[in-house]
Amino acid sequence: DAKTTQPPSMDCAEGRAANLPCNHSTISGNEYVYWYRQIHSQGPQYIIHGLKNNETNEMASLIITEDRKSSTLILPHATLRDTAVYYCIVRVAGLTSGTYKYIFGTGTRLKVLA
Amino acid sequence: DTEVTQTPKHLVMGMTNKKSLKCEQHMGHRAMYWYKQKAKKPPELMFVYSYEKLSINESVPSRFSPECPNSSLLNLHLHALQPEDSALYLCASSQDRARAYTGELFFGEGSRLTVL
Repeated sequence: DAKTTQPPSMDCAEGRAANLPCNHSTISGNEYVYWYRQIHSQGPQYIIHGLKNNETNEMASLIITEDRKSSTLILPHATLRDTAVYYCIVRVAGLTSGTYKYIFGTGTRLKVLA
Repeated sequence: DTEVTQTPKHLVMGMTNKKSLKCEQHMGHRAMYWYKQKAKKPPELMFVYSYEKLSINESVPSRFSPECPNSSLLNLHLHALQPEDSALYLCASSQDRARAYTGELFFGEGSRLTVL
């Protein structure tokens, strides 16, 4: 299974962009990258996902390198409420057609500072 | 309704007890998942159900027994657990494969289990 590695922690000043890196050097060509965040042991919350192209939504941007071995989640204007653990996830096909495993990385604890 | 509802939120049980965790969704999703999360660790996949059939079991001990009685409901039956099984148990769902779905998992808030 593809695995992801992330820095254990990062700080970011409020109002600045937070750039969270993820390494997934063993990812296969059809495996998607997802980002979730988790606040205070609540259920993980979806942020964004992508395969090859860069993606943007109302929460964040996802930049995937051309060789797909790494990606970066960008929160353009971090707020105190963005303090959370951010997980980079690879979706891996299961043995049964149409089933998938979502494999969590180790996570980055982002602290947004006032 | 975009919610995944898990009950109970907290459960304390002895090692000889039998208990169950329940998960429910009404989004028409046909894939449902159980994850286990220990403190300060990422969620670890336990089971995946697709169209009410168990499709993935990540070598989980038999003291954890999943059940999917219908497309909206997922249970996790617990028996003879150990203190090290204490964790947050997360349920999630996603749309079915027939729609070539590439989107997200929807997670519940979890059931926090303590085994004494």
